[in-house]
Amino acid sequence: DQQVKQNSPSLSVQEGRISILNCDYTNSMFDYFLWYKKYPAEGPTFLISISSIKDKNEDGRFTVFLNKSAKHLSLHIVPSQPGDSAVYFCAASESSGDKLTFGTGTRLAVRP
Amino acid sequence: SQTIHQWPATLVQPVGSPLSLECTVEGTSNPNLYWYRQAAGRGLQLLFYSVGIGQISSEVPQNLSASRPQDRQFILSSKKLLLSDSGFYLCAWNLGGGTEAFFGQGTRLTVV
Repeated sequence: DQQVKQNSPSLSVQEGRISILNCDYTNSMFDYFLWYKKYPAEGPTFLISISSIKDKNEDGRFTVFLNKSAKHLSLHIVPSQPGDSAVYFCAASESSGDKLTFGTGTRLAVRP
Repeated sequence: SQTIHQWPATLVQPVGSPLSLECTVEGTSNPNLYWYRQAAGRGLQLLFYSVGIGQISSEVPQNLSASRPQDRQFILSSKKLLLSDSGFYLCAWNLGGGTEAFFGQGTRLTVV
């Protein structure tokens, strides 16, 4: 049972344009959401998070949007840069729990 | 500052051989500890997590086991490896639900 889903396995974007990565979840108990970036043969690095009391969180070029009613979150990267090319994972947890559940990842390629 | 160490970085083991991967965290106390596996073309699968010494929760039934002999040490083991155990193993820590997790650099395990 995949509680966190990233339905697009890959995305290609031109440098300077916006990248939008999407994530859906099924567990209504999730109230904390995160995005991670991963390069090959390395551990994921934390990018940005959002709690369910907010619907938007922004950090530089990265913005995460949360739509609780749709159980959907998205990561916007603008402007996209070639160094952003990586696999992006969304993750979700319950603030009162201990498990961190990841999606299957989306491979982003930013074309120069 | 907190750091997480995971070793070895790469490992090639024959089928039926034992496994021991070690992870240690520095700079924090009583962290939650996690073992994830990224199989080829798949997301990050939670294998085990621990909220304290000797406390292990298993997410996926398999021939792997985990132990936490000390507060900041997490070990992933197997008595007899299978070909299907090949993958990229990641250790992570956080301070509980609602906080970001930080990952080690990973171990590439190839079972031959």
